[in-house]
Amino acid sequence: EPEVTQTPSHQVTQMGQEVILRCVPISNHLYFYWYRQILGQKVEFLVSFYNNEISEKSEIFDDQFSVERPDGSNFTLKIRSTKLEDSAMYFCASSEDRGNTGELFFGEGSRLTVL
Amino acid sequence: SQQGEEDPQALSIQEGENATMNCSYKTSINNLQWYRQNSGRGLVHLILIRSNEREKHSGRLRVTLDTSKKSSSLLITASRAADTASYFCATLRNTGGFKTIFGAGTRLFVKA
Repeated sequence: EPEVTQTPSHQVTQMGQEVILRCVPISNHLYFYWYRQILGQKVEFLVSFYNNEISEKSEIFDDQFSVERPDGSNFTLKIRSTKLEDSAMYFCASSEDRGNTGELFFGEGSRLTVL
Repeated sequence: SQQGEEDPQALSIQEGENATMNCSYKTSINNLQWYRQNSGRGLVHLILIRSNEREKHSGRLRVTLDTSKKSSSLLITASRAADTASYFCATLRNTGGFKTIFGAGTRLFVKA
């Protein structure tokens, strides 16, 4: 069964460092998303991406964050200068359409720990 | 604005009992979905109900939607220990964009 894969599963970084989280969405999906979940808290929307551009972003997704689809398969989230409060699970998701008729397919997440 | 607030926050039941979780939302929606998350894992889609539907079934799951009250419920019948997980409702607003917003979730614990 096709799945969304994310790497790394866990990354530890020092405050101020740049981090890139990678995702390989399901191959025929056109819509891509990043969410984050601080431990034990709600799943927060960060950004949606379609046709090589950001469709919507939340207030969390400030200038520190960027997304890219550098080739036909990867979808990356970059955090330019990490802060302690960026420590969270980051989930990538993809969908075949806008979600009107189908679901979001999530990866297993990348745990980011900022020291 | 907050979207998809679930209650209760936590629910503990015995195996075999039914579990009911509720979700309320604030803005107009296109559809409402329920997801499940095992501890430390990704979210898995359970069921989607469109704004023009009132009830939907899938196996042991039953979802209702009341758009006049802006609320939904998820019923899991004959619960099993393996149903232990967090359950989230998620709403897609009908504003033309695609931004599915998740609620805070209900932690369900089913005791064997």
